[in-house]
Amino acid sequence: KAGVTQTPRYLIKTRGQQVTLSCSPISGHRSVSWYQQTPGQGLQFLFEYFSETQRNKGNFPGRFSGRQFSNSRSEMNVSTLELGDSALYLCASSFYLRQEYNSPLHFGNGTRLTVT
Amino acid sequence: GENVEQHPSTLSVQEGDSAVIKCTYSDSASNYFPWYKQELGKGPQLIIDIRSNVGEKKDQRIAVTLNKTAKHFSLHITETQPEDSAVYFCAASSLNYGQNFVFGPGTRLSVLP
Repeated sequence: KAGVTQTPRYLIKTRGQQVTLSCSPISGHRSVSWYQQTPGQGLQFLFEYFSETQRNKGNFPGRFSGRQFSNSRSEMNVSTLELGDSALYLCASSFYLRQEYNSPLHFGNGTRLTVT
Repeated sequence: GENVEQHPSTLSVQEGDSAVIKCTYSDSASNYFPWYKQELGKGPQLIIDIRSNVGEKKDQRIAVTLNKTAKHFSLHITETQPEDSAVYFCAASSLNYGQNFVFGPGTRLSVLP
């Protein structure tokens, strides 16, 4: 079974630009989450999508947004990039059974975003 | 909201020795605790998990223990090998937050040959 695939692996952008990252979950997984990983803040939750609906959102500004498509693939967008947005962005999918039962996250290898 | 602390931040052990990493959480509603291993250039990989209705779980050289009263959970690696060298993260989640996991800051484990 193929794992979580994230594209691109590396991105270099300039301040003020916008960027779109893509994630293909494990086949059969309907929940897709996004995390930001930085040396200073560690792994921080951005948002989670299930059946094309955002179910949870972390404490990030509105410049960070996402969406999920009917095939469970997801994209996240960051507008008006700032230097502090430089990070590894990780996508994770999970086979979410039901609300009463949390499922483990399966991570991709991430997209390394550098903002100059 | 939930807060997860993790200690130590770095750990060096000799090959064959045991390694223990400890985490504490703040939200008594948290009920699922996975552990992840992250190697350089890769995303975190699930290595073991435990739910709040279980006190201990083992998988070969890896074990996790949970003390709900004290809000502690620990990762134990026995007979360490050089390939165990990586950064390890603990995490906690609660049904109150859905699939929103809160991660500890990580422990860099070095296994010296």
